[in-house]
Amino acid sequence: NAGVTQTPKFQVLKTGQSMTLQCAQDMNHNSMYWYRQDPGMGLRLIYYSASEGTTDKGEVPNGYNVSRLNKREFSLRLESAAPSQTSVYFCASRRGTGGIGNQPQHFGDGTRLSIL
Amino acid sequence: RKEVEQDPGPFNVPEGATVAFNCTYSNSASQSFFWYRQDCRKEPKLLMSVYSSGNEDGRFTAQLNRASQYISLLIRDSKLSDSATYLCVVNSNDKIIFGKGTRLHILP
Repeated sequence: NAGVTQTPKFQVLKTGQSMTLQCAQDMNHNSMYWYRQDPGMGLRLIYYSASEGTTDKGEVPNGYNVSRLNKREFSLRLESAAPSQTSVYFCASRRGTGGIGNQPQHFGDGTRLSIL
Repeated sequence: RKEVEQDPGPFNVPEGATVAFNCTYSNSASQSFFWYRQDCRKEPKLLMSVYSSGNEDGRFTAQLNRASQYISLLIRDSKLSDSATYLCVVNSNDKIIFGKGTRLHILP
């Protein structure tokens, strides 16, 4: 079982470049999430999608866009990368919609992104 | 009061000892609770859900105290492999809140 798959695992960008982080889940989950994790900051929610066709801003959405392409896939785009976006990015999925219900999130193994 | 608070640690505990973490939450309407484990440079992984009556999984025991708004995790007979960061997670209707984690170091 693949679970949540993120690509790429590592990426180095120059300031101003754009890129899309991909995330796919094969668990037929409704909700999907993008987090960033920085030292001492914990996980911070960037965007989430409570169900196919919907997306909402999280705690730190500035500089990012997302697309819920279908039920399986949820991509995160950096239009003009900045050094402050250097981080580890985690995608997660969950059976429930939003925060409703007692189902836990399942995480991909992360994308380590460096912006020079 | 922060939505979810954890003691960041680190907790340095000798192998074989018992260690306990608490996590407090501010929203009394919170509905579901979890403990995750995160190893260095890895993704968070679900350790266990926390049920109202308390629950146990091997050496791990989780408890919920709704009146005082905290959850706890007890690790008995700690192993070197238990060294990690432990994250508590609190779900409300429209939000999932992660604590910043408690670092645990098991010492040989």
